[in-house]
Amino acid sequence: QKEVEQNSGPLSVPEGAIASLNCTYSDRGSQSFFWYRQYSGKSPELIMFIYSNGDKEDGRFTAQLNKASQYVSLLIRDSQPSDSATYLCAASPIFSGAGSYQLTFGKGTKLSVIP
Amino acid sequence: DADVTQTPRNRITKTGKRIMLECSQTKGHDRMYWYRQDPGLGLRLIYYSFDVKDINKGEISDGYSVSRQAQAKFSLSLESAIPNQTALYFCATGPAGVDTQYFGPGTRLTVL
Repeated sequence: QKEVEQNSGPLSVPEGAIASLNCTYSDRGSQSFFWYRQYSGKSPELIMFIYSNGDKEDGRFTAQLNKASQYVSLLIRDSQPSDSATYLCAASPIFSGAGSYQLTFGKGTKLSVIP
Repeated sequence: DADVTQTPRNRITKTGKRIMLECSQTKGHDRMYWYRQDPGLGLRLIYYSFDVKDINKGEISDGYSVSRQAQAKFSLSLESAIPNQTALYFCATGPAGVDTQYFGPGTRLTVL
């Protein structure tokens, strides 16, 4: 059974702080990892993906991957109230470039950024 | 107009009824997906399709069927709805060779 585990939260951080969201996965065959953001009552939207061990930065967001530890994280710097949402971690067994499908999603972590 | 549309947006039905949820996209993507989202269980893949002739079961396909009528249309059917199929259903699309999936607005289905 492939599983992606996330702390459901809520995770509360003050505005301007760094929010750290964590995810672990059970399938060692997982190759690609994704972070989706879902505002309440809305559909998920992709914010970052990562395939290689290490860090990947995009603006205020940094994704981190450690395949040996089967661990993925998302850091949000300078958190804003508009970042308040549920963040979904997903894993795919498909290598990058093939168009990842068969996504296994975690249950999501609810982030609340306090003004 | 939205790139990925789902109809209906909300539906209440009774146990045993046949229900069809429809998804249309104007993004020109080959790949389409159906997911359901349940509180406490997250988002789970029901079916996915790479083109009109290529349909694949996902994690939780039992009790569901799909039809890919055209590149732009992918329908999900519940032949005989049951209460534990009450959930939020999302359609998603994605181009081949690219990892992004674009989600529709969702259909909230309640089976009484």
